[in-house]
Amino acid sequence: EIVLTQSPGTLSLSPGDRATLSCRASRNVASPYLAWSQQKPGQAPRLLIYGTSSRATGIPDRFSGSGSGTDFTLTISRLEPEDFAVYYCHEYDSSLTFGGGTKVET
Amino acid sequence: QVKLVQSGAEVKKPGASVKISCKASGYSFNLYAIHWVRQAPGQGLEWLGWISMGNGDTKYSQKLQGRVTITRDTSASTVYLDLSRLRPGDSAVYFCSRDSNTKAVDYWGQGTLVTVSS
Repeated sequence: EIVLTQSPGTLSLSPGDRATLSCRASRNVASPYLAWSQQKPGQAPRLLIYGTSSRATGIPDRFSGSGSGTDFTLTISRLEPEDFAVYYCHEYDSSLTFGGGTKVET
Repeated sequence: QVKLVQSGAEVKKPGASVKISCKASGYSFNLYAIHWVRQAPGQGLEWLGWISMGNGDTKYSQKLQGRVTITRDTSASTVYLDLSRLRPGDSAVYFCSRDSNTKAVDYWGQGTLVTVSS
């Protein structure tokens, strides 16, 4: 069973800063199978990135995804106030596996 | 627009069962699988299982195998999650989500809080 480890656990930044979130897998992940979602308190998650680097519908281009093999990255180029949230990477092979999340706080 | 609307909060005693519904609208129900994911208070996301709309095939988390059942009613565009032999550790918000057909889940229900307490 794959394990996804996200780092850091918490990222303390300010609006306008660049955020770099890491997701490391315990085994190789094919690029189509890695996605990122955002979750705000009291809300359901929202899909940001699928297939490692494709933005979901309506997601602004300040969000970008990259990586391959076991190392994947979500980058937010300039943080907006609404971007402070928890971010999860997930892998979808025959089942869904989520990372533990990275909280981006101000 | 795509909507997944879940049933309301539940309070159950240990050992009981709970059945949560997820009604889909705004898209062709039969073309997209549905996943169930839960989130314990202050914790991360845990996948429970999924169901294919076409043939009803299911796959479940090994952790919950034997206690979880996912079914669908295509005539009502509704998917159900049944969790039996409830324990306090099952207390969580349960979400349904739509398989995007691109190896991700793209739309989510609003969540259903299940509280298991004696």
